[in-house]
Amino acid sequence: LAKTTQPISMDSYEGQEVNITCSHNNIATNDYITWYQQFPSQGPRFIIQGYKTKVTNEVASLFIPADRKSSTLSLPRVSLSDTAVYYCLVGDINSPGFQKLVFGTGTRLLVSP
Amino acid sequence: GAVVSQHPSWVICKSGTSVKIECRSLDFQATTMFWYRQFPKQSLMLMATSNEGSKATYEQGVEKDKFLINHASLTLSTLTVTSAHPEDSSFYICSANNGQTHNQPQHFGDGTRLSIL
Repeated sequence: LAKTTQPISMDSYEGQEVNITCSHNNIATNDYITWYQQFPSQGPRFIIQGYKTKVTNEVASLFIPADRKSSTLSLPRVSLSDTAVYYCLVGDINSPGFQKLVFGTGTRLLVSP
Repeated sequence: GAVVSQHPSWVICKSGTSVKIECRSLDFQATTMFWYRQFPKQSLMLMATSNEGSKATYEQGVEKDKFLINHASLTLSTLTVTSAHPEDSSFYICSANNGQTHNQPQHFGDGTRLSIL
């Protein structure tokens, strides 16, 4: 899987929009970008996945520029419950090997009142 | 949606004890499941790939005789930590996905916190 780089931590306040950027300079043509969220003492939870441009679901948006060497997870109007660690992963989702996820350091987001 | 269940959620036991952790896919069949270990303030580290009906595949540095994996059915994988010692205390997490549905993400259990006294 392509190596990813994320900020170690970020701070925000309730109601703000939070953007977490992930660098993946060695992304391959068939690779997708997937984000997971992990709360303390829980397993990671799938948030969003995309290949290019923009993907949006009920909890987040994922922005991917044309060169795909980075991606940005956008959380609109965060609340205290969004305090968690966010992981960015890159790989070919159609490859059996992608099921074997390799996690980077993740970004620890702290939302304050 | 797809759900993966782990049991128990918390185990405290004496050094030298063997501990079994179960991972179940509740509404889909999983020919492959994965086991991770996570130490405090650290990321998940893949330990092994559990293959239904065949031997597990271990990552480099993981002792297969220490961490026994059995995947006897399409919905259940077990991880047994044999002769556990305090350094085995960690958060163990399993994952699986519905390989029959295209482009499905991995789903994770809620983890098992193992504390060895």
